[in-house]
Amino acid sequence: GENVEQHPSTLSVQEGDSAVIKCTYSDSASNYFPWYKQELGKRPQLIIDIRSNVGEKKDQRIAVTLNKTAKHFSLHITETQPEDSAVYFCAASIGEKLTFGTGTRLTIIP
Amino acid sequence: GAVVSQHPSRVICKSGTSVKIECRSLDFQATTMFWYRQFPKQSLMLMATSNEGSKATYEQGVEKDKFLINHASLTLSTLTVTSAHPEDSSFYICSASPAGADTQYFGPGTRLTVL
Repeated sequence: GENVEQHPSTLSVQEGDSAVIKCTYSDSASNYFPWYKQELGKRPQLIIDIRSNVGEKKDQRIAVTLNKTAKHFSLHITETQPEDSAVYFCAASIGEKLTFGTGTRLTIIP
Repeated sequence: GAVVSQHPSRVICKSGTSVKIECRSLDFQATTMFWYRQFPKQSLMLMATSNEGSKATYEQGVEKDKFLINHASLTLSTLTVTSAHPEDSSFYICSASPAGADTQYFGPGTRLTVL
C-alpha cells in the first residue's frame, strides 16, 4: 500500500518568515495530494490540494509543489502569522483512499 | 457547502459497554464515508471505508467484529465500538466526499474515553 513520509516533525519559525514542509510518497499511482491543518482537538481542515497533472498551485500565502518523478510534494507558507500555528498533515490518494503523513507541528514565534 | 457532522463530540463509558458514533453529511450525499482513529500527537489512521448499502471495508489490523459500521443511507454512517476497553480510548473522526470529488471533508471528531 501507499506510504507517506513527512518532515520535519516539528518546525518553529519566526513570525513573518516562511515555512516549508516536505512529504514523499511511495506509490506512483497516487494522483491527489491534499494538505490539512489541524488545531488541537479539532477536525482537520483542507488548506490546499494538488493533482498529479499540475506541478504547482498557490492560494494567497500558501503554495504546494509536486514532483511526480521524485514522488515528493511540499507545502510552502509565506509571511507566517501566529494563527498558522497548528499541526499540518500531508496525504496522498489513490482513488478515494487517503494515506496521511505523520504530521508537522508548526509553531510561529511572535 | 460540504459539511460533515458527528455525534456525540465526547463520550465517556465504562469498560465492556458499547458506544455508537454517528457521522452525517449535511449538504451532500456520500456513497462512501471513512472512519479514522487518531491517538494523541499521532496521525490519522484509516480504520475502514463505509459503503452505502454494502459491507464496510476494513484496514488490516482493524477488528470488524469490534468496530461495527453501518451505512444505511447516503447521508449517515455509524461506527459502534463494541465491548470497549481503555485501549480503545481515542479521537474518532469520520470523513466524506461529495460524489465525483477527491476532497474529503472531516467531521469534528468524537473523543472516546473508556474507564
